[in-house]
Amino acid sequence: DQQVKQNSPSLSVQEGRISILNCDYTNSMFDYFLWYKKYPAEGPTFLISISSIKDKNEDGRFTVFLNKSAKHLSLHIVPSQPGDSAVYFCAARDDKIIFGKGTRLHILP
Amino acid sequence: EAQVTQNPRYLITVTGKKLTVTCSQNMNHEYMSWYRQDPGLGLRQIYYSMNVEVTDKGDVPEGYKVSRKEKRNFPLILESPSPNQTSLYFCASSRDRSYGYTFGSGTRLTVV
Repeated sequence: DQQVKQNSPSLSVQEGRISILNCDYTNSMFDYFLWYKKYPAEGPTFLISISSIKDKNEDGRFTVFLNKSAKHLSLHIVPSQPGDSAVYFCAARDDKIIFGKGTRLHILP
Repeated sequence: EAQVTQNPRYLITVTGKKLTVTCSQNMNHEYMSWYRQDPGLGLRQIYYSMNVEVTDKGDVPEGYKVSRKEKRNFPLILESPSPNQTSLYFCASSRDRSYGYTFGSGTRLTVV
């Protein structure tokens, strides 16, 4: 049973617009949530995280929102740039990190 | 440069021939972990280690072994590889539970 779900396998967004990637989880014991970005032929790169005691964390163009009651988090990228085209993994952590299946983001020129 | 180094990057082997994929980190991290990435399945954890001599199973440990004799090294051992272990493998390390993992560049393994 998937504990971390990314229901959109892919997403296309116009350059300059906002990209919103969504993630749902089932385990209320997760206390940290993370987003990773992965380019082809490279390992995933840590992007941003949020503690379960917060509802928002911002780092430059990237903001993660956490809705604990809905067990939902989202990553907002504003404005979207061509270099943002990659696969994004949502992850949740207790004693180990559990990843979602990923969402492939395409930034259109 | 802070990094996780895994070797080899590419490996083709035959069923049943024991192999080891090495992983080393130079950041003095306590947490280390192995993942495999398969199409449509994302990243699945094989084994993880919270410290030296402390290892635990992840979600897909069958057919794999690990050891953590030193803090910096966390090798992945396939005693008798099978074709269903053909995959892209990533090693990762982390400072502590509140920090994101640093991943290696990956090892693409093909078992024929």
